[in-house]
Amino acid sequence: GQNIDQPTEMTATEGAIVQINCTYQTSGFNGLFWYQQHAGEAPTFLSYNVLDGLEEKGRFSSFLSRSKGYSYLLLKELQMKDSASYLCAVTLNRDDKIIFGKGTRLHILP
Amino acid sequence: NAGVTQTPKFRILKIGQSMTLQCTQDMNHNYMYWYRQDPGMGLKLIYYSVGAGITDKGEVPNGYNVSRSTTEDFPLRLELAAPSQTSVYFCASGEQGASNQPQHFGDGTRLSIL
Repeated sequence: GQNIDQPTEMTATEGAIVQINCTYQTSGFNGLFWYQQHAGEAPTFLSYNVLDGLEEKGRFSSFLSRSKGYSYLLLKELQMKDSASYLCAVTLNRDDKIIFGKGTRLHILP
Repeated sequence: NAGVTQTPKFRILKIGQSMTLQCTQDMNHNYMYWYRQDPGMGLKLIYYSVGAGITDKGEVPNGYNVSRSTTEDFPLRLELAAPSQTSVYFCASGEQGASNQPQHFGDGTRLSIL
């Protein structure tokens, strides 16, 4: 079967750095998405990794290790508006679907 | 830019009633998806479509039906509403399937079955 694990909740302080981990066990792994979802809103796309390594986009970076079945999302210079859920999602080869993890709820303290 | 539009935004149904959740997109995407999201949970795929006239079951299709007569529209039908179908429903669309293109989500329909 397919399995995606990420922490349920995390807390960090405004201005700090936080790393949200995601591990997956899948057959036919293709790539990995990170989405942000504010409470009561729709998910929005943050990043996509298909090759090993780090992808940087402003304050957000995403890392992938295909051999370890592991990814993380790194958020720098945290702002209060970063309080949200972060969803890790995996795509498979020759498949039109995405498998979502349960999401990590991030709380930012002033 | 409308993107993906879902209606209604909120609905309360009685057990056994039927309803259709509407979803339309104006991006000419071939791929469309219906998800449900229960509190504290991730998104679970109900049905998806890779083009007009083609639909496929996802992870949790029981109790739902879909149709895709046009590229733009992908309605989700609940025939006999049950309390277990209380959830937030999201419709999404994408250009080339899930593999390397992000999905664009609608704002969701919050459905309560009482």
